[in-house]
Amino acid sequence: GQSLEQPSEVTAVEGAIVQINCTYQTSGFYGLSWYQQHDGGAPTFLSYNGLDGLEETGRFSSFLSRSDSYGYLLLQELQMKDSASYFCAVRPYTSGTYKYIFGTGTRLKVLA
Amino acid sequence: DAGVTQSPTHLIKTRGQQVTLRCSPKSGHDTVSWYQQALGQGPQFIFQYYEEEERQRGNFPDRFSGHQFPNYSSELNVNALLLGDSALYLCASSKGLAKNIQYFGAGTRLSVL
Repeated sequence: GQSLEQPSEVTAVEGAIVQINCTYQTSGFYGLSWYQQHDGGAPTFLSYNGLDGLEETGRFSSFLSRSDSYGYLLLQELQMKDSASYFCAVRPYTSGTYKYIFGTGTRLKVLA
Repeated sequence: DAGVTQSPTHLIKTRGQQVTLRCSPKSGHDTVSWYQQALGQGPQFIFQYYEEEERQRGNFPDRFSGHQFPNYSSELNVNALLLGDSALYLCASSKGLAKNIQYFGAGTRLSVL
């Protein structure tokens, strides 16, 4: 089957750096995306890795290694507003599919 | 520029009833996907509409059906509601199929009693 696993919860303090991992079991996909969702809010797009390597967008960076079936989201200079749930997502290569698969989600708590 | 809008925001139904949820995509977008998100879980893909046709479907029973209108807005219909259908239903839009970025609405919270 196809699945993306994430740690259920991560806690860190303001100003720190935190890494949220995403390990997957899927035969192949177009790229790895990351979304942020605050409680009661809509998921919002953060980052996309189409190729292996690191992508940087401000305080957020994302990494993909297809050979290791692994990716991560790195959040630097944590702020209280970063407390939210984070989801990785892929769109598998399966012929003719436009279907997206989301990970189990990681709840990030940022402490003062 | 309005983002993705969904209505209603909250809904309470009883088992066996039918429900219709609505979604207006972001301006300029023509593709709408629907997701079900149970509490504490990631969104689960229900189906996707493009050019008024269902293009892809996830592992959901036929009780879940949808429609896309010429103005690209969409409806999700669920018949014979079960307690397990209680969830947040999210709509996402993009311009064209097979896009790597989706824009989500805030969702409709459905409670089935």
